[in-house]
Amino acid sequence: AQKITQTQPGMFVQEKEAVTLDCTYDTSDPSYGLFWYKQPSSGEMIFLIYQGSYDQQNATEGRYSLNFQKARKSANLVISASQLGDSAMYFCAMREGESGGGADGLTFGKGTHLIIQP
Amino acid sequence: DSGVTQTPKHLITATGQRVTLRCSPRSGDLSVYWYQQSLDQGLQFLIQYYNGEERAKGNILERFSAQQFPDLHSELNLSSLELGDSALYFCASSVVMGMNTEAFFGQGTRLTVV
Repeated sequence: AQKITQTQPGMFVQEKEAVTLDCTYDTSDPSYGLFWYKQPSSGEMIFLIYQGSYDQQNATEGRYSLNFQKARKSANLVISASQLGDSAMYFCAMREGESGGGADGLTFGKGTHLIIQP
Repeated sequence: DSGVTQTPKHLITATGQRVTLRCSPRSGDLSVYWYQQSLDQGLQFLIQYYNGEERAKGNILERFSAQQFPDLHSELNLSSLELGDSALYFCASSVVMGMNTEAFFGQGTRLTVV
């Protein structure tokens, strides 16, 4: 079974609109971390935001916020006021805590290709 | 610029050959991760080193190996290359190991096996 599921292969959004990118995860670890990365066409991976399983509040970083619904095992990324430069692949990822003492690498979803239209 | 340097940026080689990918982590980062990104498999964790020691293995083939040197740079060795090994190989680094530790990725090495 996939540990990270991103159900939107691609999205088209008008500039200045808010965008929600879906991510659901599967783990039996009580301790885990959820990450979002952006990959522009140039190829590099850019860290956006992190949410820990024990965090009481949803994470926010500038225009990025994470809608964390623990009971539903979802960690959706919300981009407010989208810009043309937001066009990229977006990956949701998870690190499970107790299974590897935090030592394991990230497990990534297949990504969502976001295109912002003027 | 993440501060993680990978060389070379592009590599074209023939099947059966061996290549070495190099990664210099951010200054002060002790942990290095290697990932493979391919069209069919997506982004996969390969292996992690922390302060010179192997700490975790993911989906790394036996034909692949890695090491982290005393100066903390790391190399990923790929041998007996097959067409299916063509992919973008990322190195990422972080200060310490930890569940909430974000990893900073290099630009990647694009490997093409012909």
